[in-house]
Amino acid sequence: AQSVSQHNHHVILSEAASLELGCNYSYGGTVNLFWYVQYPGQHLQLLLKYFSGDPLVKGIKGFEAEFIKSKFSFNLRKPSVQWSDTAEYFCAGHDMRFGAGTRLTVKP
Amino acid sequence: DSGVTQTPKHLITATGQRVTLRCSPRSGDLSVYWYQQSLDQGLQFLIQYYNGEERAKGNILERFSAQQFPDLHSELNLSSLELGDSALYFCASSVYSGGNYNEQFFGPGTRLTVL
Repeated sequence: AQSVSQHNHHVILSEAASLELGCNYSYGGTVNLFWYVQYPGQHLQLLLKYFSGDPLVKGIKGFEAEFIKSKFSFNLRKPSVQWSDTAEYFCAGHDMRFGAGTRLTVKP
Repeated sequence: DSGVTQTPKHLITATGQRVTLRCSPRSGDLSVYWYQQSLDQGLQFLIQYYNGEERAKGNILERFSAQQFPDLHSELNLSSLELGDSALYFCASSVYSGGNYNEQFFGPGTRLTVL
């Protein structure tokens, strides 16, 4: 079975700073990886997904993630964060396993 | 709006009681998933149903059970409730039973408070 882990529990950035949130997976066959975002008081929404092909995946709201097989990683990036990106971010594998989540706080 | 609906939004009950949470998937989705989100445990997968049958089981307690009905809505039953069961319970749905391209759409959640 595939599992994912997120090592950053809480990240605090100022607006316009660049963001990178870590996600590592353990290989267990098919590699499907997702990043979800949960804004305060809301449900989880899909940011982006990787199934196969181009390892650089573009998602909504300017987010992207790079699948690096040799490092078992699928880190989420955004070149310039906004206050509205304040949320909790979850990495997930296709077998319903979610990482612990990373809380991002963006200071205006 | 994801198209997944959950009722009720909030539920307050006492220890030892039993509650039922309801989820209606997006139109056309055959899979329903239940998750528990708490501060100390994070987002935990509980159980998945696909077209009426149990497909996968996660960290679901024996006091908890679920089912999916012919109209594809699902119910999560929580019994002999304990204080530690207080959490946000999410339902998600997807088209497929698993594997590739199985993007999940999440509902707004039911916040359960056990007093």
